[in-house]
Amino acid sequence: DGGITQSPKYLFRKEGQNVTLSCEQNLNHDAMYWYRQDPGQGLRLIYYSQIVNDFQKGDIAEGYSVSREKKESFPLTVTSAQKNPTAFYLCASSTYDREKLSNYGYTFGSGTRLTVV
Amino acid sequence: GNSVTQMEGPVTLSEEAFLTINCTYTATGYPSLFWYVQYPGEGLQLLLKATKADDKGSNKGFEATYRKETTSFHLEKGSVQVSDSAVYFCALSPTPGTASKLTFGTGTRLQVTL
Repeated sequence: DGGITQSPKYLFRKEGQNVTLSCEQNLNHDAMYWYRQDPGQGLRLIYYSQIVNDFQKGDIAEGYSVSREKKESFPLTVTSAQKNPTAFYLCASSTYDREKLSNYGYTFGSGTRLTVV
Repeated sequence: GNSVTQMEGPVTLSEEAFLTINCTYTATGYPSLFWYVQYPGEGLQLLLKATKADDKGSNKGFEATYRKETTSFHLEKGSVQVSDSAVYFCALSPTPGTASKLTFGTGTRLQVTL
C-alpha cells in the first residue's frame, strides 16, 4: 500500500547534537512538507518542497535544514541551533490536478516525537 | 494572510450526542477546505474536504458544508461514538491548481464518554 513512512517513531537528542528525521513516500507525490506540532499550538510549517532539488522555508525554519535529492525522500535535520526542539514532527506529501484545478490535500506520516535529554 | 479559526476545546459529549465544531477562515481567491483527524500518538488523517462553495464533504457520518458567504466550514455529526474521541483540525489550501501549503487551525479536542 502507498503511504508515508517516518522514522524513527521516538528520538532522543543530547544538547548540541544534530539529528536527522527520515521521511519517505511511495505515493509519487510531487510536494513534501515538514510540520512541527506543539501542544495547543496546532501545526506550524518548517520547510516544504514542490519539486526535486528545490525547497522553501516555512514559518519556523530557523535551526532546521532539509534536502530533496529524490522525489521519494525529504529528510529533516534538527541542528544544535534549534533552541527548543522537543516536539512532535509530522511529514506530509501532496499532489494536485492542474486540469481540474483541484488540490488533493495531504497525506501524513505517523510522526516522530523528538525529546532533548 | 490566510488564517483558520476553530472553536477552543476540549469538547466533551456523551455518546450519541450531536457534534458541531465551528471553523471559520480568512483567505483570498477560492480556497479548498479540509477537516483532518488525529488520534493519540498518530499523524493526521484526512476526514473530508470541499473544493468549492456550497460543496458538502462527508465521511464516516461527519459532514461539513463550504459556506462562502459566512466563510465557514463547520464539522457536524449526528451521533458521536467513543471511538470519535480525537483532535480535529480544520485547514485550507488557498491556491487551486498548485501544490500549495495548508494553513491549519489550532485543533479541537473531542472527548466522548459513555
